[in-house]
Amino acid sequence: DVKVTQSSRYLVKRTGEKVFLECVQDMDHENMFWYRQDPGLGLRLIYFSYDVKMKEKGDIPEGYSVSREKKERFSLILESASTNQTSMYLCASSSTGGNSPLHFGNGTRLTVT
Amino acid sequence: GQQVMQIPQYQHVQEGEDFTTYCNSSTTLSNIQWYKQRPGGHPVFLIQLVKSGEVKKQKRLTFQFGEAKKNSSLHITATQTTDVGTYFCAGPVGGGSNYKLTFGKGTLLTVNP
Repeated sequence: DVKVTQSSRYLVKRTGEKVFLECVQDMDHENMFWYRQDPGLGLRLIYFSYDVKMKEKGDIPEGYSVSREKKERFSLILESASTNQTSMYLCASSSTGGNSPLHFGNGTRLTVT
Repeated sequence: GQQVMQIPQYQHVQEGEDFTTYCNSSTTLSNIQWYKQRPGGHPVFLIQLVKSGEVKKQKRLTFQFGEAKKNSSLHITATQTTDVGTYFCAGPVGGGSNYKLTFGKGTLLTVNP
């Protein structure tokens, strides 16, 4: 079974802090994704990566950046956290090819105060 | 904004009743995927539909892909309390990379025992 592990289940940060959310997958998947989930808005794609050091913007990249230095690890960075970034963040991975299903981690609930 | 519309947003049923959620895209999709998210959990892949008019069944769940490949539905026969959760459809919309899955906002199903 694919395992996608997110480093923290819950995180509380202060406005202006730099925040790192880490995600690791153990199935040698090429593709990795960061979504945020908010009530009434569903899942929205922030960034994705289809190869090491490659990244593409999703639908809501503003205020975020990402890093993929190794195939198994995909990091989401909030350069200066703001209260409107309080959300559930979900990492996912998929194998090569555009039609492969996503495997999600358990999520990180981030609160910015 | 999101280009995958899903209705209804909420559905409450009595155990044993049927349930259907509908998904519509503004553009033709190469494929559509369905996910289920249990309360407090993360989305889990259920199925992928690729062909025009395709129908797939998983026990009490029936998935359909429209002839024009712009709409899809998930029908659950005789719901059980284990069916509770949010059901999402997702497809590669907006042109460009198939890696970029866009999710509908989901349908939250609650079942009264």
